[in-house]
Amino acid sequence: AQKITQTQPGMFVQEKEAVTLDCTYDTSDPSYGLFWYKQPSSGEMIFLIYQGSYDQQNATEGRYSLNFQKARKSANLVISASQLGDSAMYFCAMREGTGYSTLTFGKGTMLLVSP
Amino acid sequence: GAGVSQTPSNKVTEKGKYVELRCDPISGHTALYWYRQSLGQGPEFLIYFQGTGAADDSGLPNDRFFAVRPEGSVSTLKIQRTERGDSAVYLCASSLRRGEQFFGPGTRLTVL
Repeated sequence: AQKITQTQPGMFVQEKEAVTLDCTYDTSDPSYGLFWYKQPSSGEMIFLIYQGSYDQQNATEGRYSLNFQKARKSANLVISASQLGDSAMYFCAMREGTGYSTLTFGKGTMLLVSP
Repeated sequence: GAGVSQTPSNKVTEKGKYVELRCDPISGHTALYWYRQSLGQGPEFLIYFQGTGAADDSGLPNDRFFAVRPEGSVSTLKIQRTERGDSAVYLCASSLRRGEQFFGPGTRLTVL
């Protein structure tokens, strides 16, 4: 079974609108972390936002917020007021356990922002 | 400050050749990770170092792949007898705590 599922291969949004990118995860570990990364065409992975499994509140970082619904095992990324520079691939990832551990990534969602 | 750097940025080689990919992590970061990203996919874990030792190498696809980090800083990923299926972008990341991993720009490997 896939640990991270991103069901939207591509999303389109107009500039200044909000967009939600979906992510569901699967783990039996009670302690885990969820991450979102942005990968522009240049190829570098840029960290956007992090949510810990025990965090009571949804994470926010500027225009990015994470809609964390633990019971549904979903961790959707919300980008408010989209900008042209937001066009990129977006990856959801999970780290399991409490120590250092590797990230498991989804297949990504390509976001295109139009003027 | 300087981020994670990787060299070379591009490597083209012929099937059967040996290649080395280098990663220079952020100074002071004790954890270093190698991932491989094939076209249209998310990165897949290869190996993780904590200090000088490989803490988890379960992602290495076979014994043609090997990685070292002799002094706990720079790491080299080594691929012997390259195959066309090894063509991918190889990403390196480092972290200080168990928070976010900081990625380098990657090395695009093409095996002809």
